[in-house]
Amino acid sequence: AQTVTQSQPEMSVQEAETVTLSCTYDTSESNYYLFWYKQPPSRQMILVIRQEAYKQQNATENRFSVNFQKAAKSFSLKISDSQLGDTAMYFCAFLLSARQLTFGSGTQLTVLP
Amino acid sequence: NAGVTQTPKFQVLKTGQSMTLQCAQDMNHNSMYWYRQDPGMGLRLIYYSASEGTTDKGEVPNGYNVSRLNKREFSLRLESAAPSQTSVYFCASRRSLGQGYQETQYFGPGTRLLVL
Repeated sequence: AQTVTQSQPEMSVQEAETVTLSCTYDTSESNYYLFWYKQPPSRQMILVIRQEAYKQQNATENRFSVNFQKAAKSFSLKISDSQLGDTAMYFCAFLLSARQLTFGSGTQLTVLP
Repeated sequence: NAGVTQTPKFQVLKTGQSMTLQCAQDMNHNSMYWYRQDPGMGLRLIYYSASEGTTDKGEVPNGYNVSRLNKREFSLRLESAAPSQTSVYFCASRRSLGQGYQETQYFGPGTRLLVL
């Protein structure tokens, strides 16, 4: 079974600064997908960024980028120029098949003014 | 294009009562999912439907039933609610083959359920 670990339950960052959220996972498979989802106080789950394991290039979406280290089974999220609206719970998720996403326990990020 | 919608947003039940959570998507997605989220935890899959007319159990199916009414709608039913089913429930759908990024799931706003 696949497991996803987020070892930072809470983090904070000053507005306009950069923060990195950590995620590690465990699998014996070679083809899979990784995601970061954001859950603001509204509770809605919002896709932030996705990464295909077969791609060596790290995914980027505007201020969000990942550091994907396949051999180390690490998938961290970097948020640049943090904004107050980035305050949310962030979940790392692993997808082996289209059937089931496996989620980590989340990291609560607070952006301070 | 409303995406994934869920009703109700919040519900209080007494132990033993039944209810149905509704989910609909207007993105022509084939696959739909029901998750629950408990405090301090990520989402866990209850049931999923790969296509209209098919359903399969996920990680935590006990106490729930589902119906894939048509391509748009996927409902979750609690026949006899228990306090352990107090949670936030999320519905999600996934793009179909040929639509690009078909591995990505899109989530509804969630339903908060309290069972007393």
